[in-house]
Amino acid sequence: QVQLQESGPGLVKPSQTLSLTCTVSGGSISSGSYYWSWIRQPAGKGLEWIGRIYTSGSTNYNPSLKSRVTISVDTSKNQFSLKLSSVTAADTAVYYCARRFGEGAFDIWGQGTMVTVSS
Amino acid sequence: SYVLTQPPSVSVAPGQTARITCGGNNIGSKSVHWYQQKPGQAPVLVVYDDSDRPSGIPERFSGSNSGNTATLTISRVEAGDEADYYCQVWDSSSDHYVFGTGTKVTVL
Repeated sequence: QVQLQESGPGLVKPSQTLSLTCTVSGGSISSGSYYWSWIRQPAGKGLEWIGRIYTSGSTNYNPSLKSRVTISVDTSKNQFSLKLSSVTAADTAVYYCARRFGEGAFDIWGQGTMVTVSS
Repeated sequence: SYVLTQPPSVSVAPGQTARITCGGNNIGSKSVHWYQQKPGQAPVLVVYDDSDRPSGIPERFSGSNSGNTATLTISRVEAGDEADYYCQVWDSSSDHYVFGTGTKVTVL
């Protein structure tokens, strides 16, 4: 079955760019009508959707983060990626990648990766 | 932007029924999805499209949605149901997903 795995640096300096990759295994990222999303969760807090991408390259972003977020897809590698620029301590969180199906539910999630913003 | 409001906590005795509400303006017109999240784990989808269950989710989990409130109901609560629960919708007015504030379910 399809599985997702996040990867990337666990520590990023303030003002720099956070970069993460989600690798899709067990199926093609291009098959089916799926959107691929990034979601984050600060410690002890709730879930925040960051943005999504379709395999055509079409994207949507959370308005509160839109100016700093870029999500891209590499179908040849079965991966999609997140870049979040000008990070601050407020961007410290567990970052999840997830697959959306149907009317907008996230049915498959990665295990999450902790990213700390600190000098 | 669209806001989803959940009670911070719900406590329930084993074998009883837990009801978790998710309030939003005219939420009944949207498809609501629910997730269970245990400490240190990724969220798991337990109800989608208001009331459907993914395969592997017990029938004890059910959902409803009408007016300004969606509800996740957990029947015959077990100790293993203790977790945080989040509702979620797609806000078409701003083209983005919104999560509820989350509810911690404690099994007494």
